Amino acid sequence: DTGVSQNPRHKITKRGQNVTFRCDPISEHNRLYWYRQTLGQGPEFLTYFQNEAQLEKSRLLSDRFSAERPKGSFSTLEIQRTEQGDSAMYLCASSYRDRYEKLFFGSGTQLSVL
Amino acid sequence: AQKVTQAQTEISVVEKEDVTLDCVYETRDTTYYLFWYKQPPSGELVFLIRRNSFDEQNEISGRYSWNFQKSTSSFNFTITASQVVDSAVYFCALLTAGNMLTFGGGTRLMVKP
Repeated sequence: DTGVSQNPRHKITKRGQNVTFRCDPISEHNRLYWYRQTLGQGPEFLTYFQNEAQLEKSRLLSDRFSAERPKGSFSTLEIQRTEQGDSAMYLCASSYRDRYEKLFFGSGTQLSVL
Repeated sequence: AQKVTQAQTEISVVEKEDVTLDCVYETRDTTYYLFWYKQPPSGELVFLIRRNSFDEQNEISGRYSWNFQKSTSSFNFTITASQVVDSAVYFCALLTAGNMLTFGGGTRLMVKP
């Protein structure tokens, strides 16, 4: 069990650029979640996959955001035309059996948009 | 709508003191789950406990204990004989059938030697 892995740990980009983050969940976990956390706040839900199917998306997820989980393994979160308000920690989590289980979180990707 | 409130944004204690972190939640669902997570400086949230709405028994795990009271919609967390390694941000969270895991704003605990 190597835990949930996220890359990169830090990303600095200029406003208007596109960025992509990757999450590798624990191998036998079929559920994968993306959360966003801003400074001094709790994580906010963005989207959720069961295997390769994206089952739920938050209203926070504007059309500039897209997430994929091809083949139900790793997931990517892409932000197009980044804005300064996108600066945050993007957290990935996974779980095994059902949505009521505890989540295993990665260390996150810190995005800074200049 | 559901909501989790952690009124204490920051608490500072001296090592070996007991400390209680408050959590108040709002939901109209009768079935729900409550969680506590710890976020150390490394950033990775670590699961501490999960309780469902039908189990109001208090729980103790080593120096940690949790007090769940449905009558006041509270799920408070107490650390006994705090240690410097307990310094972290602690989040209370609520999960219902109709909503994903909703976190409170967190309480930053600083334990000084």
